[in-house]
Amino acid sequence: SAVISQKPSRDICQRGTSLTIQCQVDSQVTMMFWYRQQPGQSLTLIATANQGSEATYESGFVIDKFPISRPNLTFSTLTVSNMSPEDSSIYLCSVADGGTYEQYFGPGTRLTVT
Amino acid sequence: GESVGLHLPTLSVQEGDNSIINCAYSNSASDYFIWYKQESGKGPQFIIDIRSNMDKRQGQRVTVLLNKTVKHLSLQIAATQPGDSAVYFCADPATGGGNKLTFGTGTQLKVEL
Repeated sequence: SAVISQKPSRDICQRGTSLTIQCQVDSQVTMMFWYRQQPGQSLTLIATANQGSEATYESGFVIDKFPISRPNLTFSTLTVSNMSPEDSSIYLCSVADGGTYEQYFGPGTRLTVT
Repeated sequence: GESVGLHLPTLSVQEGDNSIINCAYSNSASDYFIWYKQESGKGPQFIIDIRSNMDKRQGQRVTVLLNKTVKHLSLQIAATQPGDSAVYFCADPATGGGNKLTFGTGTQLKVEL
């Protein structure tokens, strides 16, 4: 399975600011995803990061709030914009190959907004 | 897929006992399921998967059972160890495809010494 790293591992940010989270994979992968996991809850898919094109967002998530980049097959970023305390969550990236549903996850970024 | 709950159900077991974690799904078209384990402070880790043409699949100390009639699957952990303490999620392909997964509510497994 791919080795996935995320930066930063955690951060405390002030409301109204933005944070960019990086996801790096040690091999080329077809698909990359970004999830949010609020405290004590399950994972909710934010968007699918598409290489060389705009991300595909799930219902309830918009590009202005969560801009995503994916410049190549091993790297993606998620920005949480104009943060509010409600954005305090763990943000996770995951990867998959096109022929399988099996996804592998990074360690997550724990974000606290004050 | 499953709806997301506000509270994680908790299962407490004694070390050495067997654990059974349950999951109900709603998408009758789902043909593939995955169990993930998430330890505190870490991302989810793949445990085992099962396709809908199977009723049972065994791994190392884990068994997944699938009952398509009632849309239910379970994860059985034999001889539960302290290292098994984690949150366990089932997941299945989301409606709309695209290799997306829908995750269940999750169950917190606590192993008591």
